[in-house]
Amino acid sequence: GQQLNQSPQSMFIQEGEDVSMNCTSSSIFNTWLWYKQDPGEGPVLLIALYKAGELTSNGRLTAQFGITRKDSFLNISASIPSDVGIYFCAVMNYGGSQGNLIFGKGTKLSVKP
Amino acid sequence: DAGVIQSPRHEVTEMGQEVTLRCKPISGHNSLFWYRQTMMRGLELLIYFNNNVPIDDSGMPEDRFSAKMPNASFSTLKIQPSEPRDSAVYFCASSLTGGNGYTFGSGTRLTVV
Repeated sequence: GQQLNQSPQSMFIQEGEDVSMNCTSSSIFNTWLWYKQDPGEGPVLLIALYKAGELTSNGRLTAQFGITRKDSFLNISASIPSDVGIYFCAVMNYGGSQGNLIFGKGTKLSVKP
Repeated sequence: DAGVIQSPRHEVTEMGQEVTLRCKPISGHNSLFWYRQTMMRGLELLIYFNNNVPIDDSGMPEDRFSAKMPNASFSTLKIQPSEPRDSAVYFCASSLTGGNGYTFGSGTRLTVV
């Protein structure tokens, strides 16, 4: 099946530092999304990207949809303790008229105050 | 809006017992998804419904797993008989057809001993 490769698997950073993580695929996808999962909760959508080359920001978060449509990155600027969690990339996989999300394995972010 | 509601939050059961997980999607959403999350395999789609009809159940691991959606406001995922390798967090998510804004529930943490 389709696979998304996320890196790094985990990150330990100091509060205030910037964070960068990325996601690649061997296949082309037309919709890329980034989710965050807090401990004990389900994933929550952060940013959705629909156009190759698109750069989208949401507060301190910035995500880009790669021009080849096979990758995306997520940056977090000036990290704070509540940024702790697991960040997932996801792509919309269409089969016929229906679609479903395929998720990467996640990047676990730890922030030291 | 109460969001996607899953019950129970935690379930501990003995091997061989039947387990039923429940989900109430967001009112008005017509697509419902069941995902399983483990450390090894990440988030895997098990099955999804559109307008209460199962669309793709290729992710259901074995015949021991079954899912139903008798109406637009309720779905169940049943495992019978349960095995220790079924231990995982099971998430339900809902969305509008074609929408990327999946809303996840808080999950059911299943432990089979």
